[in-house]
Amino acid sequence: GENVEQHPSTLSVQEGDSAVIKCTYSDSASNYFPWYKQELGKRPQLIIDIRSNVGEKKDQRIAVTLNKTAKHFSLHITETQPEDSAVYFCAASTDTGFQKLVFGTGTRLLVSP
Amino acid sequence: GAVVSQHPSRVICKSGTSVKIECRSLDFQATTMFWYRQFPKKSLMLMATSNEGSKATYEQGVEKDKFLINHASLTLSTLTVTSAHPEDSSFYICSARTEAGELFFGEGSRLTVL
Repeated sequence: GENVEQHPSTLSVQEGDSAVIKCTYSDSASNYFPWYKQELGKRPQLIIDIRSNVGEKKDQRIAVTLNKTAKHFSLHITETQPEDSAVYFCAASTDTGFQKLVFGTGTRLLVSP
Repeated sequence: GAVVSQHPSRVICKSGTSVKIECRSLDFQATTMFWYRQFPKKSLMLMATSNEGSKATYEQGVEKDKFLINHASLTLSTLTVTSAHPEDSSFYICSARTEAGELFFGEGSRLTVL
């Protein structure tokens, strides 16, 4: 089955810096790649997603890139702010019918003022 | 985004009792919902896929008789932890899929079994 690896597990940056989180997946049939932000004790929130027919998607300070050949995708956060501090999960879906997501292990991002 | 509500948010029960957790899609119909378990500082582990009007599909290693799932309508799925034990204590989260294919999560339910 699908396996999603995520790096780094923790990431500390200064406010204003950029942060990059990378994920790799194993199943070439995966075609949907969302990113979720989870604050402590709260639900994961979808922040951006990308489908396999595009290579990059941007939404204000957040962007996601996808390299289908290498089977990896990345989350880029520019001009980080303390409120960006949270755990970020990438995920991949191999089943467009039921959107069964396989999650990465998570990255704890800490943005220091 | 779409709204998924989960209830209760916290529940404490005695060992041996059963606990029911509800997951509702408030502003859309969801033929498919998912149940996850999350351990502290860990990722979300998919437990089962809940399909309206049919039996749930469980992931390998998840006990069907332990974690009963019912998807009685297009807006409601329930997870019942039967004969709960302390090792079942965890954060349980549901998610529901919109017609556009996006997944939205419930608030989660923290179960503590004494």
